Amino acid sequence: RKEVEQDPGPFNVPEGATVAFNCTYSNSASQSFFWYRQDCRKEPKLLMSVYSSGNEDGRFTAQLNRASQYISLLIRDSKLSDSATYLCVVGYTGGFKTIFGAGTRLFVKA
Amino acid sequence: NAGVTQTPKFQVLKTGQSMTLQCAQDMNHEYMSWYRQDPGMGLRLIHYSVGAGITDQGEVPNGYNVSRSTTEDFPLRLLSAAPSQTSVYFCASTIGGALGSYNSPLHFGNGTRLTVT
Repeated sequence: RKEVEQDPGPFNVPEGATVAFNCTYSNSASQSFFWYRQDCRKEPKLLMSVYSSGNEDGRFTAQLNRASQYISLLIRDSKLSDSATYLCVVGYTGGFKTIFGAGTRLFVKA
Repeated sequence: NAGVTQTPKFQVLKTGQSMTLQCAQDMNHEYMSWYRQDPGMGLRLIHYSVGAGITDQGEVPNGYNVSRSTTEDFPLRLLSAAPSQTSVYFCASTIGGALGSYNSPLHFGNGTRLTVT
């Protein structure tokens, strides 16, 4: 079983739609959580950190459920420019490492 | 501010050849790491360093060596290239050494696309 699992998609949504991505992680010792965005053939870039109380950045809302070991990302009012792969990322104290999920591909269409 | 700089951007090797992928950062980050990205598998950690003179293995270290003689540079060496090492390689850095490695966002270079024939 992978340490961080995501639905690979792709998700095909029209502009203006609301879309949600889910991610589960297996190691209960996980300490930090992030969502990254990766455009085709580019490097990953931080989208937002995920906090226990949940947090919002404009159209993006991230939630963390430690009991269920589950992270989510909600995108409201989707734009064409939101088309990308979204990577769920978990940081562990042991081994000083950051583990990436395989990513969820999103296509937003006009 | 250059951030994380990787060279080369593209490379083609024959099986058995060796080469070094270069990575440099100008942000005075203690933590640096190398990932490879393959279709459907996400980014997998090859090696990492929490400071100058300190390196350790990640998930997929076999066939790769690293060194960290300065804070700025973290080269990745392929000792004897194999077709299984065809991939996109990303170097990343973050502040805080061991603490920052899992607690702070990673800054990535643009990647090196390596093909081994």
